[in-house]
Amino acid sequence: DTEVTQTPKHLVMGMTNKKSLKCEQHMGHRAMYWYKQKAKKPPELMFVYSYEKLSINESVPSRFSPECPNSSLLNLHLHALQPEDSALYLCASSHEDERDYTDTQYFGPGTRLTVL
Amino acid sequence: AQSVSQHNHHVILSEAASLELGCNYSYGGTVNLFWYVQYPGQHLQLLLKYFSGDPLVKGIKGFEAEFIKSKFSFNLRKPSVQWSDTAEYFCAVNDPADTDKLIFGTGTRLQVFP
Repeated sequence: DTEVTQTPKHLVMGMTNKKSLKCEQHMGHRAMYWYKQKAKKPPELMFVYSYEKLSINESVPSRFSPECPNSSLLNLHLHALQPEDSALYLCASSHEDERDYTDTQYFGPGTRLTVL
Repeated sequence: AQSVSQHNHHVILSEAASLELGCNYSYGGTVNLFWYVQYPGQHLQLLLKYFSGDPLVKGIKGFEAEFIKSKFSFNLRKPSVQWSDTAEYFCAVNDPADTDKLIFGTGTRLQVFP
């Protein structure tokens, strides 16, 4: 089972709103990720949590705030976003594959965010 | 720094045609290489990966890829495509400086016509 779930599927918000995206995995994966993907572009890494600690922040603006309450859950809090932040936000999780010792990332379906 | 190039941006094929999508990376040391597929409106799915050993890797849905170290390449192949293979294909490699980072190529859009 390599399922990563994300809610909501779609989100429309105004520039003054505060909203949150949620990601869950129950595979015991040690690392969880947030990516931003614009249409017809590859995913761009935003944040990485490893063992529930923030390990990578790719210079993301502070209007995006990640949170990892426990090993299965990852949130992305959104505040005062801009229209250019409209995109598909992908969550992923990874573990070291015991067969080949590679870290393989498995992606969720994403949240399509529209900022008006 | 590691980089990944996918030179085919848009490929159009008829069903039953053979497919080869190019992927080149820049780092000369040990690499883990991946191909992901994103069907229209769906999430990224892992097609296959290479970590070591046999350079010919078989994945899901009849895809395979060949790692050629001397050419820094990891091309994706399928002998006979189907309409359902229409999707965006991304090659990716682990950043050797931080293996939690995946470096993606720009993607190749494949359209298969019946």
